[in-house]
Amino acid sequence: SSELTQDPAVSVALGQTVRITCQGDSLRSNYASWYQQKPGQAPVLVMYGKNNRPSGIPDRFSGSSSGNTASLTITGAQAEDEADYYCDSRDSFGTGTKVTVL
Amino acid sequence: QVQLQESGPGLVKSSETLSLTCTVSGGSFSGYFWSWIRQPPGKGLEWIGYIYYSGSTNYNPSLKSRVTISVDTSKNQFSLKLSSVTAADTAVYYCARVPRYSSSWYIDYWGQGTLVTVSS
Repeated sequence: SSELTQDPAVSVALGQTVRITCQGDSLRSNYASWYQQKPGQAPVLVMYGKNNRPSGIPDRFSGSSSGNTASLTITGAQAEDEADYYCDSRDSFGTGTKVTVL
Repeated sequence: QVQLQESGPGLVKSSETLSLTCTVSGGSFSGYFWSWIRQPPGKGLEWIGYIYYSGSTNYNPSLKSRVTISVDTSKNQFSLKLSSVTAADTAVYYCARVPRYSSSWYIDYWGQGTLVTVSS
């Protein structure tokens, strides 16, 4: 498994845009998947593949990738988006990013 | 609706073997990697390993010497054994499903998780 690095924490004003990044060599050949985890709950898939949202995930979530970096963008962040976010690339999770909505 | 449910002891003594089972309901057992993931209190997620329904496995190199994942397709269950546990193995353990034939790697279903505490 390879290492995936994320910023520990980011904050965003309500209704604004935030980008969460994930860096690692494995991302040059594999897309990342992204998971949202709220306290006391199991993670939930929010993005996978090139830019695929599972059913029920709002379209304010989008994904992109370039080189060794994958990104998850929340456009128009809502209070309910406050959570920990993890990337994953074939059996290696990122270090996690705590998103705070101000 | 696919559901995964972990079961097993919530307390294990140090140096003993942690054993958990995940029961899958509501979907096919074939065509997926069945996975174990853990999360120590207040920390991030860590892959333990996964098994294909045919029995082939892949383990986290850092845990490989202590991990065994097995599958019982007749019961729609798969299991985790982690030997020689220490306090560092205290975590919430999740079972999860990864589609095998997708062009992308992702976990589409998770169990609710079960906390396993290692006591001295």
